[in-house]
Amino acid sequence: GAVVSQHPSRVICKSGTSVKIECRSLDFQATTMFWYRQFPKQSLMLMATSNEGSKATYEQGVEKDKFLINHASLTLSTLTVTSAHPEDSSFYICSARDPDRVGYGYTFGSGTRLTVV
Amino acid sequence: GNSVTQMEGPVTLSEEAFLTINCTYTATGYPSLFWYVQYPGEGLQLLLKATKADDKGSNKGFEATYRKETTSFHLEKGSVQVSDSAVYFCALSAYGDSWGKLQFGAGTQVVVTP
Repeated sequence: GAVVSQHPSRVICKSGTSVKIECRSLDFQATTMFWYRQFPKQSLMLMATSNEGSKATYEQGVEKDKFLINHASLTLSTLTVTSAHPEDSSFYICSARDPDRVGYGYTFGSGTRLTVV
Repeated sequence: GNSVTQMEGPVTLSEEAFLTINCTYTATGYPSLFWYVQYPGEGLQLLLKATKADDKGSNKGFEATYRKETTSFHLEKGSVQVSDSAVYFCALSAYGDSWGKLQFGAGTQVVVTP
């Protein structure tokens, strides 16, 4: 149980285009999901908290107009990197929690490797 | 602010060797501490956790003890296997019991050779 699917696993896009990353909870409903970003050889950094049916909460320093988060249903949150630039190239990963399995913590997706050329 | 520091990798060792990955943290209050593991091509999985001082988390032969006096949460395994090759992340959560908003260390790659 508590499976989180993230898609795509890898994407290459041109500068100036937008890329959408999906995070789905497959066997549970998630009112809250988290989006993280990881630079090479660095920590995963929390970008934002995605709340179902309301606006996302962004961490300090994260541009909300650049990283659009939509959590329109209890099983899907999307992160859209708008007008991507090479410095946006990174590893993005989401997490969610099965409310019936609180003691097991959050489940992570397998991540998305974004390369902007 | 909160932070987690863990030893850099890669750590390369032979099968059946003893593994230690050091992790120290800085946090206000009383954080919960975690070790996550990421196998090649997969997402992060919770390996073990400890929610208060002197707690010992354990799973799959791995152990870590929450040491408040040294602000540490070192991961240990007495006899590693090739299948333990992965990246290990130490993390803390300072947000009550939600365990969702995590502060991660940089990760330590472990390579176990036959």
